[in-house]
Amino acid sequence: QVQLVESGGGVVQPGRSLRLSCAASGFTFSNYVMYWVRQAPGKGLEGVALISYDGTKEYHADSVKGRFTISRDNSKNTLFLQMNSLRPEDTAVYYCARHHYEYSTGYGMDVWGQGTTVTVSS
Amino acid sequence: DIQMTQSPSTLSASVGDRVTITCRASQSINIWLAWYQQRPGKAPKLLIYKASNLETGVPSRFSGSGSGTEFTLTISSLQPDDFATYYCQQDNSYSEWTFGQGTKVEIK
Repeated sequence: QVQLVESGGGVVQPGRSLRLSCAASGFTFSNYVMYWVRQAPGKGLEGVALISYDGTKEYHADSVKGRFTISRDNSKNTLFLQMNSLRPEDTAVYYCARHHYEYSTGYGMDVWGQGTTVTVSS
Repeated sequence: DIQMTQSPSTLSASVGDRVTITCRASQSINIWLAWYQQRPGKAPKLLIYKASNLETGVPSRFSGSGSGTEFTLTISSLQPDDFATYYCQQDNSYSEWTFGQGTKVEIK
């Protein structure tokens, strides 16, 4: 079945780094735009980063620009989020998600992982 | 940047009620809007895409409408499973895909 499974979350000190992974299965990963979305405790959803199906286009939210980098390995059906210079305000559940249709944007995110928790605290 | 504003932030309703949530964009996004439902501790679930298209498997009591800057999500007859938080999301381009702040639907 179509599935996304995140991993790599944990507790980290401010200023340190963490790399999240999202393993995709059950669909042709290389055909889809992929996203990272986060949710701070008790707060709403915040878009973090997007990457095109072929990895040639990336977008990062202003709140993480210059610190976080989205990437993908289509040969391994895996999405990544490299998070550097972490801050307490980066504490959140991080979800990876798939765009609804192949090769495009505009139609929302139809498949979500279960989320991985990142806690930034000294 | 396009800002998305949902209203109300919280809504109290009873089973069987008709419920409407509004989402306004700070500039036109044509019909590039999605709606999600999120239950506590769970990932969001896509309900509506392209403003009015019902996602496969979503009950027909959910409907979406609007274009340009004003959009609505309607639940025609609220069911116990529908008490959750709802988010709109504009999906205008690779660099513009922000979420609204959410609307919590509570039991009256």
